[in-house]
Amino acid sequence: EAQVTQNPRYLITVTGKKLTVTCSQNMNHEYMSWYRQDPGLGLRQIYYSMNVEVTDKGDVPEGYKVSRKEKRNFPLILESPSPNQTSLYFCASSLSSGTGAYGYTFGSGTRLTVV
Amino acid sequence: AQSVTQLGSHVSVSEGALVLLRCNYSSSVPPYLFWYVQYPNQGLQLLLKYTSAATLVKGINDFEAEFKKSETSFHLTKPSAHMSDAAEYFCAVRGAAGNKLTFGGGTRVLVKP
Repeated sequence: EAQVTQNPRYLITVTGKKLTVTCSQNMNHEYMSWYRQDPGLGLRQIYYSMNVEVTDKGDVPEGYKVSRKEKRNFPLILESPSPNQTSLYFCASSLSSGTGAYGYTFGSGTRLTVV
Repeated sequence: AQSVTQLGSHVSVSEGALVLLRCNYSSSVPPYLFWYVQYPNQGLQLLLKYTSAATLVKGINDFEAEFKKSETSFHLTKPSAHMSDAAEYFCAVRGAAGNKLTFGGGTRVLVKP
């Protein structure tokens, strides 16, 4: 089954404790992206990757890191989480051929709480 | 830069009534437009997309949307609401040559019996 898999689904952590949220897709998609969803703000892009070893900042990158060493994986790293990073996070992937005609496939989300 | 505005953060409809969710976009290039649905505690699922083949687009679960270039709109409709349509709906735009999907703020639909 074609899918984007995120782990964990739920995570409660303390301020300053480094964490990684994993994301993996099995569709051979070039493009991957991380979003955070907050009430009233919709989804905002954190980082994206056009292909292996190619990443760039989205709209709200502060406090986050990403890497793309393999095509299928795109982990999100919070080096020193803070309470304002409490949010619902989504990983997404899509084909990328220079057009915008492809929609994203989303993971099920990771609900992160930083106390 | 591209952007999306969804009019109304909450919409309440009666079961069997028309569902109308409004979406207006701005884009400097001919856009690709999408509607996604998010059921409680789930990820986003693609309902339908406009990619310039036809201005009236049909999606899953009897939803459809009409692209109106002159009004820069892509409103979502469903003739008869079901209880199972209660969810949050997001309109999104993607530029022709870019890859970023920009979302509107979302509209939460409540269906009354």
